[in-house]
Amino acid sequence: GDSVTQMEGPVTLSEEAFLTINCTYTATGYPSLFWYVQYPGEGLQLLLKATKADDKGSNKGFEATYRKETTSFHLEKGSVQVSDSAVYFCALLYSSASKIIFGSGTRLSIRP
Amino acid sequence: NAGVMQNPRHLVRRRGQEARLRCSPMKGHSHVYWYRQLPEEGLKFMVYLQKENIIDESGMPKERFSAEFPKEGPSILRIQQVVRGDSAAYFCASSYQSDTEAFFGQGTRLTVV
Repeated sequence: GDSVTQMEGPVTLSEEAFLTINCTYTATGYPSLFWYVQYPGEGLQLLLKATKADDKGSNKGFEATYRKETTSFHLEKGSVQVSDSAVYFCALLYSSASKIIFGSGTRLSIRP
Repeated sequence: NAGVMQNPRHLVRRRGQEARLRCSPMKGHSHVYWYRQLPEEGLKFMVYLQKENIIDESGMPKERFSAEFPKEGPSILRIQQVVRGDSAAYFCASSYQSDTEAFFGQGTRLTVV
């Protein structure tokens, strides 16, 4: 079945470090891909999205490229800040599907 | 333009009581999802609804749980005869169409005592 696999956390980095959070998916078609972020005690916020192969989603310095050949959608940021500390979820959605499939989440902690 | 509104934000129920969780989707959105999140865990799909219809309830427990999205008013997730294991955060999300991004509410944190 369709699934999303994220790198296990927690990930701890120093401020201004480069961030990569890996996400791969298993799907029979061509889903849309998303990254959501969840701050403590809050709901999920849509961070970025890509709807077709080779699309690059970007927002607030974060980027992710839809790679069909490697079925991946890795999240990157060139210089993280303490305020980026949160849990990040990778997700996929088919046009014909009835649910958004989420990865297990990756907790990111940034040290000052 | 208000986002997805969930209420209450926090709900405490004694074992055996009923819990009603409300979700008002974003304006113009007719698709609603409900997810459950246990502490330090990911999101578990429960149910997907369009106005007046349940499209996919494959993630809903067979007993005690029900959901609706009437023509007028918010979507309701109802849990009857709550047990301690129902304690979790329940999130609602809405989307304009079935293949567009979903926006989440702040969640309802249910505590069963």
